[in-house]
Amino acid sequence: SQELEQSPQSLIVQEGKNLTINCTSSKTLYGLYWYKQKYGEGLIFLMMLQKGGEEKSHEKITAKLDEKKQQSSLHITASQPSHAGIYLCGAGSTSYDKVIFGPGTSLSVIP
Amino acid sequence: DSGVTQTPKHLITATGQRVTLRCSPRSGDLSVYWYQQSLDQGLQFLIQYYNGEERAKGNILERFSAQQFPDLHSELNLSSLELGDSALYFCASSVGLAGGLETQYFGPGTRLLVL
Repeated sequence: SQELEQSPQSLIVQEGKNLTINCTSSKTLYGLYWYKQKYGEGLIFLMMLQKGGEEKSHEKITAKLDEKKQQSSLHITASQPSHAGIYLCGAGSTSYDKVIFGPGTSLSVIP
Repeated sequence: DSGVTQTPKHLITATGQRVTLRCSPRSGDLSVYWYQQSLDQGLQFLIQYYNGEERAKGNILERFSAQQFPDLHSELNLSSLELGDSALYFCASSVGLAGGLETQYFGPGTRLLVL
């Protein structure tokens, strides 16, 4: 079955610093999603990537998809305390019928 | 606000009991998904309904069942509850059928605590 790995597992950065979170799939990626979750709350959709080489940005968050490496990266520029939370990547399963999620990366931003 | 609503927000019950979680999808969305999130298992897909019909199943226990009604709201029924069923249960919705290729919008979740 398809699995998603995320690295790092957790991250603590100083406010203003840049950071990158990676998501790697064990199988071919069909649709890659990034969500953010505050502890104990619902998931907030950030962006979806579908094509190899695709790159999307929302405010200070940029995500890229490398189909060949079966990997996506999420980059935050000039981090702020509001960026703190758990970032989850999700990918469409090979049968297209469901999304499988990674274990999440916990981000803390120190003012 | 994603537009997906879930009730109740919190639920505390005892082992062996049965509970029902409710979800209303975003206006216009025909698919509803149920997920379970726990510390040790992460976010696990349980089941998907599309326009009233079951479309995909994940790691859903036989003690759990779901349905989607004509007005498209969905209910997740959990019975013979065990301590290990304590988790956050999320509902998500999307426009169409291709659950793996469509953006899913998540509700705020129902926190279930089984004592």
